[in-house]
Formats: sequence, structure tokens, C-alpha cells
Amino acid sequence: RKEVEQDPGPFNVPEGATVAFNCTYSNSASQSFFWYRQDCRKEPKLLMSVYSSGNEDGRFTAQLNRASQYISLLIRDSKLSDSATYLCVVNLGGFKTIFGAGTRLFVKA
Amino acid sequence: DAGVTQSPTHLIKTRGQQVTLRCSPKSGHDTVSWYQQALGQGPQFIFQYYEEEERQRGNFPDRFSGHQFPNYSSELNVNALLLGDSALYLCASSNPLGNEQFFGPGTRLTVL
Repeated sequence: RKEVEQDPGPFNVPEGATVAFNCTYSNSASQSFFWYRQDCRKEPKLLMSVYSSGNEDGRFTAQLNRASQYISLLIRDSKLSDSATYLCVVNLGGFKTIFGAGTRLFVKA
Repeated sequence: DAGVTQSPTHLIKTRGQQVTLRCSPKSGHDTVSWYQQALGQGPQFIFQYYEEEERQRGNFPDRFSGHQFPNYSSELNVNALLLGDSALYLCASSNPLGNEQFFGPGTRLTVL
């Protein structure tokens, strides 16, 4: 079993749609969680951290469920510019960071 | 404020050769991590350097080695290159807590 698992997609959605991604992790000792965004042939960039209480940043909402060991990302009112690969990231206590393989999103006009 | 920089941007090598990739961290960061990203995959953790020492290592063979200099910049060395080493090599820097990482643009290595 992979340490961090994501549905690879692709998710093809129209502009304005709401789309949700899930990610599961295997190590219950995982300490911190993030979503990164990666555009084609570019480096990953931090989208948002994920907190147990859930957190929102504009159109983006992230949730963490420690009991079930999954993380989610919700994107509302999708824009063409949201088209990218979304990487789920788990940190095992500062030293070691595990990336999921990513979920590809295509937003179409 | 310069972000993370990496050099070179692209590199072509043949099997058996050796390669050195370089990274300068974001200003104020002292921790550097290296990742390998194969096509269609997420970045895979190679190792992390802090205070000029390797602090943690992922599941990579000894052909992969590194170094961190007093100015916090870092090098990744790969010996005896294999075709499977072809990938995007990413450097990320962070503060001592290491929670948020900032990535450089990467070096795309092709092994022929």
C-alpha cells in the first residue's frame, strides 16, 4: 500500500463547477498535511496547509479526518486557471515528506 | 528576495556517467531537501540536509549522495547513471521546522 494515495483522475469539469479531491495516508503518526499545486512542467507550489478543524482560503476548502486518515480539497466555482495537478502531502515529523502521485484537474470553458 | 534557484535547468548524460546538480535555498532558509519526480508521479524524497549533514534519507541507493555548504546551498550527486534516473530533480528549502517547503524550478535530467 502506498503511503499517500490519490485518485489520479483526470477530473474534467466545466467552469463554475465544484470539485472535490480525496487523499488517504497510511502512517497514523503523520503530523502535518498540505495540498500543493503543480502546473505542467513546473515546480510544486504550496496551495494550503490542512488543519484538523478544517480551513478555507477563498474558493478552496481543506479538511483533515485523522480517524479515517484522509484529507480532502474542495474547489468551488472552478476557473480555467485551476487546471493543474494537485498533490497531497504528508509530513512525518519535520524530516520526511511524502507526496502523493497527484490528481489532475482540467477545467473547461 | 530570491526564491530557490537550481542549476542547470536541463542536462543530458549517458549511462554510467556522473552528474552534479546545484541548489541555493530561499533567503533565510537553512534546510534543503532533494526530490526526484518521474513523469506522471509525485516527487519522491531523496534526502534532507541541515547544518551540513544529511538528516534523513528516503529509499534511494548510495549512488545518490549530497552535500550542504556553510552558506546553506546544496549539491546532489548521482553516480553510475541509469536510464531510470531520468527525471525532474527538485530542490526545496525550508526553515528549521521544515513544515512549509519552497521548491526550485528543478533540473530535468535525461539519461541516454
